[in-house]
Amino acid sequence: GESVGLHLPTLSVQEGDNSIINCAYSNSASDYFIWYKQESGKGPQFIIDIRSNMDKRQGQRVTVLLNKTVKHLSLQIAATQPGDSAVYFCAENWGTSYGKLTFGQGTILTVHP
Amino acid sequence: DAGVIQSPRHEVTEMGQEVTLRCKPISGHDYLFWYRQTMMRGLELLIYFNNNVPIDDSGMPEDRFSAKMPNASFSTLKIQPSEPRDSAVYFCASRLNPESEQFFGPGTRLTVL
Repeated sequence: GESVGLHLPTLSVQEGDNSIINCAYSNSASDYFIWYKQESGKGPQFIIDIRSNMDKRQGQRVTVLLNKTVKHLSLQIAATQPGDSAVYFCAENWGTSYGKLTFGQGTILTVHP
Repeated sequence: DAGVIQSPRHEVTEMGQEVTLRCKPISGHDYLFWYRQTMMRGLELLIYFNNNVPIDDSGMPEDRFSAKMPNASFSTLKIQPSEPRDSAVYFCASRLNPESEQFFGPGTRLTVL
């Protein structure tokens, strides 16, 4: 039969717009979260992180929001640029006794000039 | 720092052959991870090490896959015998501790004919 790949959520925006990428995480005990950006042909690159004792953290043009009540994480990118086009992954750490991150499936962001 | 180093960057082999992928983590990082990424299954954790000791190998597909970390600066992922369904991009990543970000290497694109 025909094989079916992952159907990643997609977000298309115009250059200059703000982008919001959402992620639902799985473990209420997770204490550390990271957003990664993966461009075509490259490995995932760290964008920004946040610990569970915070609900917001800002970087350069990026902001991460954490809502522990509903286990939701979002990444906001201000003034989106064509170079921001990539797949974005959220990752959670299940606590300091766990060394590994658990990754979401990813969201494809396409920025149109 | 050179970051996580992987070799080779590309590997093309024939079914049945042995394949060895190599990784040098960032110096001082206690955790090393091997991932596989495909369109069908996304980013999958295969195995991870802490202080050179394998901690969780539940993601290793089958006995054809094996990973070693003989010292803190080197790890290998071996597939023997290789099969076409092993074709994927294999990433190595390292991390200082469970409260720090994780850095990915550039990946090895494996094609098994």
